[in-house]
Amino acid sequence: AQTVTQSQPEMSVQEAETVTLSCTYDTSENNYYLFWYKQPPSRQMILVIRQEAYKQQNATENRFSVNFQKAAKSFSLKISDSQLGDTAMYFCAFMTSFQGGSEKLVFGKGTKLTVNP
Amino acid sequence: NAGVMQNPRHLVRRRGQEARLRCSPMKGHSHVYWYRQLPEEGLKFMVYLQKENIIDESGMPKERFSAEFPKEGPSILRIQQVVRGDSAAYFCASSRTGLSNQPQHFGDGTRLSIL
Repeated sequence: AQTVTQSQPEMSVQEAETVTLSCTYDTSENNYYLFWYKQPPSRQMILVIRQEAYKQQNATENRFSVNFQKAAKSFSLKISDSQLGDTAMYFCAFMTSFQGGSEKLVFGKGTKLTVNP
Repeated sequence: NAGVMQNPRHLVRRRGQEARLRCSPMKGHSHVYWYRQLPEEGLKFMVYLQKENIIDESGMPKERFSAEFPKEGPSILRIQQVVRGDSAAYFCASSRTGLSNQPQHFGDGTRLSIL
């Protein structure tokens, strides 16, 4: 079974600095997708960034970028120029293909990020 | 262009009552997923439905929980005879095709509290 591990329950960073959140996963599949979702105190689930496993180039979305190491099964999120609004829970997720074509997300337990002024 | 709509946002039930959670997918989306988030946990997959069909219910508890997605109207997650352990946030997501190259868009969730 696929698993996603986020080893940092909590992290903090000063405003305008850079922070990296770690994520590792376990799978025997070769093609899959990886995601980072943000859950602010309002508890919405917001897609931050997505990576396709067959693409070697790391995904980037404005201040958010990933370091995808397929062989190591590692998918870390880097937030540059941190802003107060980045304070949230961050969940790493893996999309698996299930028999019959059911693409369901497998989530890690999350990292609580606090951006300090 | 409305996103995924879930209602109610908050639902309070007493032990033994029934809870009905509704989810209207984004326009043009015919694939719906339900996830449950227990306190201090990540989201856990429960069930995946297409119109009128349950595709994968491997994450659903065997008893008291059921889901449907009728031809007309929203998807419904139904919990019968609720217990304290059912207290959680229930999220619905939808996608256009159900394939992994299409992202799942989440609703704001329903917070279920059992007294």
